[in-house]
Amino acid sequence: GQQLNQSPQSMFIQEGEDVSMNCTSSSIFNTWLWYKQDPGEGPVLLIALYKAGELTSNGRLTAQFGITRKDSFLNISASIPSDVGIYFCAGRDSGAGSYQLTFGKGTKLSVIP
Amino acid sequence: DSGVTQTPKHLITATGQRVTLRCSPRSGDLSVYWYQQSLDQGLQFLIQYYNGEERAKGNILERFSAQQFPDLHSELNLSSLELGDSALYFCASSVYGGDNEQFFGPGTRLTVL
Repeated sequence: GQQLNQSPQSMFIQEGEDVSMNCTSSSIFNTWLWYKQDPGEGPVLLIALYKAGELTSNGRLTAQFGITRKDSFLNISASIPSDVGIYFCAGRDSGAGSYQLTFGKGTKLSVIP
Repeated sequence: DSGVTQTPKHLITATGQRVTLRCSPRSGDLSVYWYQQSLDQGLQFLIQYYNGEERAKGNILERFSAQQFPDLHSELNLSSLELGDSALYFCASSVYGGDNEQFFGPGTRLTVL
């Protein structure tokens, strides 16, 4: 089945620093989604990407759909303490006739004030 | 608040027992998805219902079953519970069956003792 490799697994950064994380898949995806999960809560959708090469921003967050359609990147600029949480990428290959999302294992972000 | 509600928030039970988790999708959403999240496995897709019909099946055990009712709420039934079934169970919803954007509920934390 499809596999998503998300890296890094965890990161500790200083408040104000920029953050980058990425996801790569073993197959081509038509959609990439980025979610954030706070402790004890469900994942919240941050950004959705639908086209190869697409670059989309949501406030301080920017995500890109890789040209190869096998990867995606999420950047957070000028991090703040409330950015703490687990960030998940998710992808879907609609062409396979399945609407199932495949999730990465997450990047745990810690922000040091 | 995603608009997806799940009850109960916490559930503690014993091995061999049966439990039912409940989900109400966002108003207007026809599709409901169930996911299991454990520490070592990340978010695993279990099953999807669209407008009352099963649409897709993921890594759902035979001991588990789900249904979606005419009012579009859904229930996930877990039977013959084992210690390894302890996890967070999330419900997500989307407008249609093929939507990429799924909105997650707050989850039910199941502990099997």
